[in-house]
Amino acid sequence: NAGVTQTPKFQVLKTGQSMTLQCAQDMNHNSMYWYRQDPGMGLRLIYYSASEGTTDKGEVPNGYNVSRLNKREFSLRLESAAPSQTSVYFCASRKGQGLSYEQYFGPGTRLTVT
Amino acid sequence: GQQLNQSPQSMFIQEGEDVSMNCTSSSIFNTWLWYKQDPGEGPVLLIALYKAGELTSNGRLTAQFGITRKDSFLNISASIPSDVGIYFCAGLLIQGAQKLVFGQGTRLTINP
Repeated sequence: NAGVTQTPKFQVLKTGQSMTLQCAQDMNHNSMYWYRQDPGMGLRLIYYSASEGTTDKGEVPNGYNVSRLNKREFSLRLESAAPSQTSVYFCASRKGQGLSYEQYFGPGTRLTVT
Repeated sequence: GQQLNQSPQSMFIQEGEDVSMNCTSSSIFNTWLWYKQDPGEGPVLLIALYKAGELTSNGRLTAQFGITRKDSFLNISASIPSDVGIYFCAGLLIQGAQKLVFGQGTRLTINP
């Protein structure tokens, strides 16, 4: 089991460029999440998908779109990158059953927008 | 949005010392999670708490779900160099959508 994988690990974009961050999990989890992490601010939820076919906005969705491609994959797209989107992006997944609320994180994508 | 206040923000200790950190909120949570993040890596789940008053251990780590449901504590006993990293608390609100709220993190540095 690889758990949660993310690609790419590092990316540099120019302002206005677009890109898609990829995330996949092999744990058969129902729910998947995208977070961004900025210094001193902890983790903030961008979008999440409670189950295949559904997506919902989190705390900071502006400037992002997501696609839950299938149960395994959840991608995050930046249509027109801005310097304010320089951050570390983490994908996470959760089984989504019963009382268990444990989320498991990928290794992160470090994005710099110049 | 909802906030968790995690303290301290940073700690500098000697190897072998015990460590305590906590998270508090004005809101009630029905789940508390504690994560550790190593440099350049994603957060790794350490302990999950599901009942008020619950005390759970994972090796040298012990966490407690506060009886008021508004706080949680993490203790590390006899710290070792590999304990270095950032520790995050996360809580699940009873009301509202099923989304975690994260604390700002406690950065732990250990002097050998």
